[in-house]
Amino acid sequence: ELKVEQNPLFLSMQEGKNYTIYCNYSTTSDRLYWYRQDPGKSLESLFVLLSNGAVKQEGRLMASLDTKARLSTLHITAAVHDLSATYFCAVDQILYNAGNMLTFGGGTRLMVKP
Amino acid sequence: EPEVTQTPSHQVTQMGQEVILRCVPISNHLYFYWYRQILGQKVEFLVSFYNNEISEKSEIFDDQFSVERPDGSNFTLKIRSTKLEDSAMYFCASSEENIQYFGAGTRLSVL
Repeated sequence: ELKVEQNPLFLSMQEGKNYTIYCNYSTTSDRLYWYRQDPGKSLESLFVLLSNGAVKQEGRLMASLDTKARLSTLHITAAVHDLSATYFCAVDQILYNAGNMLTFGGGTRLMVKP
Repeated sequence: EPEVTQTPSHQVTQMGQEVILRCVPISNHLYFYWYRQILGQKVEFLVSFYNNEISEKSEIFDDQFSVERPDGSNFTLKIRSTKLEDSAMYFCASSEENIQYFGAGTRLSVL
Protein backbone atom coordinates (compact mmCIF):
# COMPACT_ATOMS: atom_id res chain seq x y z
CA GLU A 1 0.00 0.00 0.00
CA LEU A 2 1.36 3.36 -1.00
CA LYS A 3 1.95 5.73 1.90
CA VAL A 4 2.54 9.44 1.45
CA GLU A 5 3.85 11.43 4.39
CA GLN A 6 4.13 15.17 4.57
CA ASN A 7 5.91 17.23 7.13
CA PRO A 8 5.43 19.44 8.83
CA LEU A 9 1.67 19.16 9.21
CA PHE A 10 1.44 22.73 10.41
CA LEU A 11 3.77 25.59 9.67
CA SER A 12 3.56 29.08 11.04
CA MET A 13 6.09 31.46 9.56
CA GLN A 14 6.85 35.13 9.33
CA GLU A 15 6.55 37.04 6.10
CA GLY A 16 9.84 37.23 4.28
CA LYS A 17 11.17 33.92 5.61
CA ASN A 18 12.03 30.79 3.68
CA TYR A 19 10.90 27.27 4.43
CA THR A 20 10.58 23.82 2.90
CA ILE A 21 7.75 21.31 3.04
CA TYR A 22 8.70 17.66 2.58
CA CYS A 23 6.77 14.86 0.97
CA ASN A 24 8.00 11.27 1.32
CA TYR A 25 6.35 8.31 -0.34
CA SER A 26 6.78 4.59 0.02
CA THR A 27 6.75 3.03 -3.46
CA THR A 28 8.21 3.80 -6.83
CA SER A 29 6.50 6.54 -8.75
CA ASP A 30 7.77 8.94 -11.35
CA ARG A 31 5.01 11.47 -11.01
CA LEU A 32 4.07 13.74 -8.20
CA TYR A 33 1.71 16.67 -7.88
CA TRP A 34 1.40 19.60 -5.54
CA TYR A 35 -1.98 21.14 -4.83
CA ARG A 36 -3.07 24.16 -2.87
CA GLN A 37 -6.34 24.26 -0.95
CA ASP A 38 -7.86 27.36 0.62
CA PRO A 39 -10.36 26.78 3.45
CA GLY A 40 -13.60 25.32 2.14
CA LYS A 41 -12.37 25.42 -1.43
CA SER A 42 -11.28 22.94 -4.04
CA LEU A 43 -7.80 21.75 -4.95
CA GLU A 44 -5.77 24.00 -7.17
CA SER A 45 -3.01 22.35 -9.16
CA LEU A 46 0.34 24.00 -8.52
CA PHE A 47 2.99 21.72 -9.96
CA VAL A 48 3.26 18.51 -11.90
CA LEU A 49 6.61 16.75 -11.56
CA LEU A 50 7.01 14.03 -14.14
CA SER A 51 10.55 12.74 -13.81
CA ASN A 52 13.49 12.33 -11.49
CA GLY A 53 15.27 15.61 -10.92
CA ALA A 54 12.32 17.69 -12.10
CA VAL A 55 12.27 21.19 -10.70
CA LYS A 56 9.50 23.69 -11.29
CA GLN A 57 9.09 27.23 -10.05
CA GLU A 58 6.16 29.57 -9.94
CA GLY A 59 6.58 32.85 -8.13
CA ARG A 60 7.74 32.20 -4.56
CA LEU A 61 7.17 28.46 -4.77
CA MET A 62 9.59 25.88 -6.12
CA ALA A 63 8.97 22.14 -6.24
CA SER A 64 11.45 19.35 -6.87
CA LEU A 65 11.34 15.59 -7.19
CA ASP A 66 13.91 12.94 -6.31
CA THR A 67 12.42 9.62 -7.31
CA LYS A 68 15.39 7.63 -5.98
CA ALA A 69 14.93 9.08 -2.52
CA ARG A 70 11.14 9.04 -2.98
CA LEU A 71 11.08 12.63 -1.86
CA SER A 72 9.58 15.83 -3.12
CA THR A 73 10.04 19.25 -1.64
CA LEU A 74 8.06 22.45 -1.89
CA HIS A 75 10.25 25.42 -1.09
CA ILE A 76 8.79 28.75 -0.12
CA THR A 77 10.92 31.83 -0.68
CA ALA A 78 10.24 35.11 1.10
CA ALA A 79 6.77 34.09 2.20
CA VAL A 80 3.84 36.48 1.92
CA HIS A 81 0.44 36.31 3.61
CA ASP A 82 -1.30 35.28 0.38
CA LEU A 83 0.51 31.95 0.51
CA SER A 84 -1.43 30.95 3.62
CA ALA A 85 -3.29 27.76 2.68
CA THR A 86 -3.02 24.00 3.00
CA TYR A 87 -0.61 22.33 0.61
CA PHE A 88 -0.98 18.71 -0.43
CA CYS A 89 1.38 16.50 -2.33
CA ALA A 90 -0.10 13.60 -4.26
CA VAL A 91 1.66 10.61 -5.73
CA ASP A 92 0.45 9.20 -9.00
CA GLN A 93 -0.17 5.54 -9.73
CA ILE A 94 -1.03 4.72 -13.28
CA LEU A 95 -4.01 2.43 -13.75
CA TYR A 96 -3.67 0.20 -16.74
CA ASN A 97 -5.66 1.74 -19.55
CA ALA A 98 -7.75 3.59 -17.00
CA GLY A 99 -6.19 6.88 -16.05
CA ASN A 100 -4.34 7.34 -12.81
CA MET A 101 -5.00 7.29 -9.09
CA LEU A 102 -3.71 9.94 -6.72
CA THR A 103 -2.68 9.16 -3.17
CA PHE A 104 -2.50 12.32 -1.12
CA GLY A 105 -0.31 13.27 1.78
CA GLY A 106 -1.86 14.56 4.97
CA GLY A 107 -1.39 18.18 3.98
CA THR A 108 0.68 21.02 5.41
CA ARG A 109 -1.29 23.91 6.79
CA LEU A 110 0.77 27.02 6.19
CA MET A 111 0.09 30.24 8.04
CA VAL A 112 2.15 33.26 7.11
CA LYS A 113 2.11 36.03 9.67
CA PRO A 114 2.88 39.69 8.96
CA GLU B 1 -11.17 27.93 -19.32
CA PRO B 2 -12.95 24.56 -19.08
CA GLU B 3 -13.69 23.38 -15.59
CA VAL B 4 -15.24 20.53 -13.67
CA THR B 5 -18.56 21.56 -12.17
CA GLN B 6 -20.27 19.92 -9.23
CA THR B 7 -23.77 20.25 -7.85
CA PRO B 8 -25.03 20.85 -5.30
CA SER B 9 -22.36 22.73 -3.40
CA HIS B 10 -23.87 21.61 -0.11
CA GLN B 11 -26.19 18.67 0.52
CA VAL B 12 -27.83 18.01 3.86
CA THR B 13 -29.49 14.65 4.37
CA GLN B 14 -30.84 12.41 7.08
CA MET B 15 -29.03 9.22 8.01
CA GLY B 16 -30.28 6.32 5.92
CA GLN B 17 -31.34 8.46 2.98
CA GLU B 18 -30.00 8.13 -0.52
CA VAL B 19 -28.04 10.98 -2.06
CA ILE B 20 -26.79 11.61 -5.56
CA LEU B 21 -23.87 13.94 -6.12
CA ARG B 22 -23.51 15.30 -9.60
CA CYS B 23 -20.52 16.25 -11.67
CA VAL B 24 -19.97 17.54 -15.17
CA PRO B 25 -16.41 16.71 -16.17
CA ILE B 26 -14.40 18.65 -18.74
CA SER B 27 -15.89 17.76 -22.09
CA ASN B 28 -12.97 16.07 -23.87
CA HIS B 29 -11.75 14.16 -20.83
CA LEU B 30 -11.93 10.39 -20.74
CA TYR B 31 -11.18 9.49 -17.14
CA PHE B 32 -13.36 10.41 -14.21
CA TYR B 33 -12.79 10.16 -10.48
CA TRP B 34 -14.37 10.71 -7.11
CA TYR B 35 -12.41 11.59 -3.99
CA ARG B 36 -13.57 12.52 -0.53
CA GLN B 37 -12.12 14.64 2.23
CA ILE B 38 -13.39 14.33 5.77
CA LEU B 39 -13.13 17.66 7.54
CA GLY B 40 -9.54 18.40 8.50
CA GLN B 41 -8.20 15.22 6.95
CA LYS B 42 -6.48 14.29 3.75
CA VAL B 43 -8.08 13.69 0.39
CA GLU B 44 -8.89 10.02 -0.23
CA PHE B 45 -9.43 8.24 -3.52
CA LEU B 46 -12.80 6.57 -3.94
CA VAL B 47 -13.17 5.40 -7.52
CA SER B 48 -12.03 5.85 -11.08
CA PHE B 49 -14.23 5.40 -14.12
CA TYR B 50 -13.30 4.88 -17.74
CA ASN B 51 -15.10 3.62 -20.80
CA ASN B 52 -18.36 3.36 -18.88
CA GLU B 53 -17.06 1.14 -16.15
CA ILE B 54 -15.23 1.31 -12.85
CA SER B 55 -11.51 0.82 -13.41
CA GLU B 56 -10.35 1.05 -9.80
CA LYS B 57 -11.96 1.53 -6.41
CA SER B 58 -10.72 1.89 -2.87
CA GLU B 59 -11.79 0.06 0.28
CA ILE B 60 -13.96 3.02 1.14
CA PHE B 61 -16.06 2.47 -1.97
CA ASP B 62 -18.25 -0.33 -0.63
CA ASP B 63 -21.64 -1.59 -1.78
CA GLN B 64 -23.32 1.57 -0.55
CA PHE B 65 -21.59 3.56 -3.27
CA SER B 66 -22.16 3.51 -6.99
CA VAL B 67 -21.17 5.68 -9.93
CA GLU B 68 -22.83 6.25 -13.22
CA ARG B 69 -22.45 8.25 -16.38
CA PRO B 70 -26.10 8.43 -17.36
CA ASP B 71 -25.57 10.59 -20.43
CA GLY B 72 -22.71 12.14 -22.35
CA SER B 73 -21.97 14.83 -19.83
CA ASN B 74 -22.90 13.93 -16.24
CA PHE B 75 -20.98 11.70 -13.84
CA THR B 76 -22.77 10.85 -10.61
CA LEU B 77 -21.91 9.36 -7.26
CA LYS B 78 -24.76 7.71 -5.39
CA ILE B 79 -24.72 6.76 -1.73
CA ARG B 80 -27.63 4.41 -1.09
CA SER B 81 -28.08 4.65 2.65
CA THR B 82 -26.02 7.44 4.15
CA LYS B 83 -24.23 7.08 7.47
CA LEU B 84 -22.98 9.80 9.77
CA GLU B 85 -19.42 8.98 8.79
CA ASP B 86 -20.20 9.75 5.14
CA SER B 87 -20.19 13.43 6.05
CA ALA B 88 -17.34 14.89 4.04
CA MET B 89 -16.44 17.00 1.06
CA TYR B 90 -16.71 14.99 -2.14
CA PHE B 91 -14.57 16.03 -5.08
CA CYS B 92 -15.07 14.99 -8.65
CA ALA B 93 -12.08 15.08 -10.99
CA SER B 94 -11.47 14.37 -14.64
CA SER B 95 -8.41 13.94 -16.80
CA GLU B 96 -7.45 13.61 -20.41
CA GLU B 97 -4.14 11.96 -19.61
CA ASN B 98 -2.05 12.73 -16.53
CA ILE B 99 -3.31 15.84 -14.82
CA GLN B 100 -6.53 15.60 -12.86
CA TYR B 101 -8.69 18.69 -12.63
CA PHE B 102 -10.87 18.96 -9.59
CA GLY B 103 -14.31 20.42 -9.16
CA ALA B 104 -15.20 22.76 -6.31
CA GLY B 105 -16.67 19.89 -4.31
CA THR B 106 -19.97 19.00 -2.68
CA ARG B 107 -20.12 19.22 1.07
CA LEU B 108 -22.29 16.36 2.32
CA SER B 109 -23.70 16.69 5.81
CA VAL B 110 -25.44 13.62 7.21
CA LEU B 111 -27.59 14.32 10.26
